[in-house]
Amino acid sequence: QSALTQPPSASGSPGQSVTISCTGTSSDIGAYNYVSWYQQHPGKAPKLIIYEVSKRPSGVPDRFSGSKSGNTASLTVSGLQAEDEADYYCSSHAGSNNFPYIFGTGTKVTVL
Amino acid sequence: EVQLVETGGGLIQPGGSLRLSCAVSGFTVSNNYMIWVRQAPGKGLEGVSVIYTGGGTNYADSVKGRFTISRDASKNTLYLQMNSLRVEDTAVYYCANPRTVMGAFDLWGQGTMVTVSS
Repeated sequence: QSALTQPPSASGSPGQSVTISCTGTSSDIGAYNYVSWYQQHPGKAPKLIIYEVSKRPSGVPDRFSGSKSGNTASLTVSGLQAEDEADYYCSSHAGSNNFPYIFGTGTKVTVL
Repeated sequence: EVQLVETGGGLIQPGGSLRLSCAVSGFTVSNNYMIWVRQAPGKGLEGVSVIYTGGGTNYADSVKGRFTISRDASKNTLYLQMNSLRVEDTAVYYCANPRTVMGAFDLWGQGTMVTVSS
C-alpha cells in the first residue's frame, strides 16, 4: 500500500496563502471522509490540525482549512505566519482489508 | 492529565528484539483504539500497528510477523514487541490515540528512538 502523494515543498510570504495537495486512490481518500492533516515541527510529535476532511480540533486557528474532491484532498493555510513553517502530512482511512491508516509523503512549508 | 509517554527505545543489533511501552494517563488503554506510528530519520510518517477497542489488531505489511501490539490493563500501558529487527526499522516510534475525534489522532506521545545497527 503506497503512501499518499504530496508535493515535497511549498512556500509563501507572511500573510499569503499556501495550498497543499494530497492524492490517493478510490480505496482511501476517494472512499472515506476520514482525511486528516498533521503539522510537525522539527523534533516534535505530529499535531492534528484537520480531521474528517475539514473539521478543526479545538484550539487550531481557522487559518487552516481542508477540503476534498474525488481522490485528492487539500490543506490551505491562509494568512501565513512564521510559526506555520513546518512539515505537513495528510492521512486517510484505508479500509479494513489493508492497514487502516495511510499517511502522505509530507510537504515542507517555508515562510519566506 | 491526559498523556502518552513512550519508553524502551535504544540501540539494538540487526536480528535483535526490543519492547516499546506507551504509558497511558487520563484514560483507560483497555477500551481504546491505539496506534503505533514510526518516522525514519528525515522521512515521513508510517503507520505500524493498531489495536482496536475490542482487542483485534492490524499490522503494516513491513512489520507483519515480526511485531506484536498488545496492552496491559493493570499497568494501563500499550506495548509494541519488535522481533527480528532490521536496519530499516530505525525510526522514532510514536503511540497515538483518537482522544476527542474520529478517524484521526489528536493525542500523541513524545516518541522513542529505535536504532538498529551493528
